[in-house]
Amino acid sequence: RKEVEQDPGPFNVPEGATVAFNCTYSNSASQSFFWYRQDCRKEPKLLMSVYSSGNEDGRFTAQLNRASQYISLLIRDSKLSDSATYLCVVTSMEYGNKLVFGAGTILRVKS
Amino acid sequence: SQTIHQWPATLVQPVGSPLSLECTVEGTSNPNLYWYRQAAGRGLQLLFYSVGIGQISSEVPQNLSASRPQDRQFILSSKKLLLSDSGFYLCAWSVLGKDYGYTFGSGTRLTVV
Repeated sequence: RKEVEQDPGPFNVPEGATVAFNCTYSNSASQSFFWYRQDCRKEPKLLMSVYSSGNEDGRFTAQLNRASQYISLLIRDSKLSDSATYLCVVTSMEYGNKLVFGAGTILRVKS
Repeated sequence: SQTIHQWPATLVQPVGSPLSLECTVEGTSNPNLYWYRQAAGRGLQLLFYSVGIGQISSEVPQNLSASRPQDRQFILSSKKLLLSDSGFYLCAWSVLGKDYGYTFGSGTRLTVV
């Protein structure tokens, strides 16, 4: 089983739509969680950290469910510029605090 | 502010040739440094990480090696490239004890022909 699993997509949505991505992780001792965004042929960039209580940054909302080992990212009012690959990332002491990346979910927002 | 530089941006090398990719970080001291590879359509695979000068940990057996000759310099090398070494190589840094995730360089796209 992969340490971090994501639906690869692609998710094709119209502008203005709300879209949600899910991610599951296998290590119950995982401590920190992130969502990264990667544009085509570019480096990944940190989108947001994910906190136990859930957190929001503008149109983006991240949720963590430790009991189910499940992380989500919700994007409201999708923009064309949101088109990218979204990477779910976890870390834990077992990994030596190194980041473990999911393979990513592709989002395509169309006009 | 902290910046990370990685070069070259693209590289085409023949099978059997050597490789040297360099990564430097500015604006921070004693960073943790990482080399990742991303094969086409795949996730990021951690190759090496370093917590200090001369300290290198390898995550997977492979045809590559890494060195950290200076605090803010991280080098990825190979003596003889294989076709399977093709991919997108990314250097990243983080601060020990800080839960801020990693910052990546702009990457080197390597094609071995």
